[in-house]
Amino acid sequence: AQSVTQPDIHITVSEGASLELRCNYSYGATPYLFWYVQSPGQGLQLLLKYFSGDTLVQGIKGFEAEFKRSQSSFNLRKPSVHWSDAAEYFCAVKRGGSQGNLIFGKGTKLSVKP
Amino acid sequence: NAGVTQTPKFQVLKTGQSMTLQCAQDMNHNSMYWYRQDPGMGLRLIYYSASEGTTDKGEVPNGYNVSRLNKREFSLRLESAAPSQTSVYFCASSQGLARTYEQYFGPGTRLTVT
Repeated sequence: AQSVTQPDIHITVSEGASLELRCNYSYGATPYLFWYVQSPGQGLQLLLKYFSGDTLVQGIKGFEAEFKRSQSSFNLRKPSVHWSDAAEYFCAVKRGGSQGNLIFGKGTKLSVKP
Repeated sequence: NAGVTQTPKFQVLKTGQSMTLQCAQDMNHNSMYWYRQDPGMGLRLIYYSASEGTTDKGEVPNGYNVSRLNKREFSLRLESAAPSQTSVYFCASSQGLARTYEQYFGPGTRLTVT
C-alpha cells in the first residue's frame, strides 16, 4: 500500500540556519509529490510539487525539494530559516490510479529559535 | 477570488446533535475533498467527490455523509455527533486532471462535541 513517512515529528533550528525536512514515500511508479505548510490555526498551503522532469523543484517562500528515486525520498530544504517559517509541514503523494486523492504524512513541526 | 471557503469556523455540539459543514470553491475545480485533522494523525480523508454528481468514501467515512450540491459546493453532514468527531475539518479542491492534482485547502472548521 502507498504511504508517506515523515520521520521527524518536531525539529528546532536557529534563525538563519539551514533546514532539511525528510519525506519518504512508497509507490512503484513515478510519484506525484507535494509539500504543504500549515501555520497555526490556518489551512494548508501548497509550497511546491513534483510531477516529472528536473528532480530539484523550487517553491514559494524560498523552499526547494529534491526528488531522489533511488532513496524514495522528497526532502524539503531551505538555506536560511526565518522566524516566520515556524509551522507544520506535510509531505503528500498522489494515490495511484485515476483519482486525484493524496496521501499525507503525519507532519513535521518546525520551531525556530531566535 | 476567495479560493475555498468553509462555514462555520467554530462549532460546539452536544452528543447526538446534527450539523452540516459547508464548503464552496470558486476555482471551477472538478474534485472536492473532506478531511479531518487530529493531533499526531496528519490529515485523514473522510469523503471525496471526483466530479460533480459523484461521491466516494475515504479512509474514515463512518458517522458522516456528504452532498455534492453542484460543481462549487460540497457539504459534510454529521447526523448524530459523537465526542470522537471532535476535530478540525478541512475542505479542499483540485482540478483532478492529469498533472493538476494539487489540492487547495479552506481555512478549516474547529468542531468540539461534548
